[in-house]
Amino acid sequence: SQQGEEDPQALSIQEGENATMNCSYKTSINNLQWYRQNSGRGLVHLILIRSNEREKHSGRLRVTLDTSKKSSSLLITASRAADTASYFCATDRRGAQKLVFGQGTRLTINP
Amino acid sequence: DADVTQTPRNRITKTGKRIMLECSQTKGHDRMYWYRQDPGLGLRLIYYSFDVKDINKGEISDGYSVSRQAQAKFSLSLESAIPNQTALYFCATSRETDTQYFGPGTRLTVL
Repeated sequence: SQQGEEDPQALSIQEGENATMNCSYKTSINNLQWYRQNSGRGLVHLILIRSNEREKHSGRLRVTLDTSKKSSSLLITASRAADTASYFCATDRRGAQKLVFGQGTRLTINP
Repeated sequence: DADVTQTPRNRITKTGKRIMLECSQTKGHDRMYWYRQDPGLGLRLIYYSFDVKDINKGEISDGYSVSRQAQAKFSLSLESAIPNQTALYFCATSRETDTQYFGPGTRLTVL
């Protein structure tokens, strides 16, 4: 079963707007990671946030983690057409020694 | 050169045929993984290996087998391919449960 559930499943916005994607999970984690996948290609790691962290930034990306709500969000600011991709969260559950991926959010940036 | 390579990149085969997908990495990681991705879905773990002598089943290992020939090589076999194994297959590597580095994927079609 999937540990991470992304919301929404699909998101379409205009270039320049901010995009927010959410991920919820069920069990305690060591860390949560966000990945990006361009159509039909391999996943690329974007950012990792550990369970004792609440927020991380990387360029135009901002990730938050709320362990009490078992949820995370990925914010992409000032979106560009090149940000069009699918975004996946993956959780490293305590004791599991492997990642579990969600089903992803398909983001479309309209020029 | 890519850190994680997969061969072949595309393969069309017939039901009942034996297929091997190969993965090589130059990152020096001990951990390697095989995932399957179906359209519109996230990644599901088939098998994973923490070192040459350690092989573990993932959530969907039935119909698949693996071989870890060396630290850098991890192959996935379909002993008798069936149409519902048509999917995109990804290999990944990692050190511990931190960032996973993905190969470009193999698109497999079973007729």
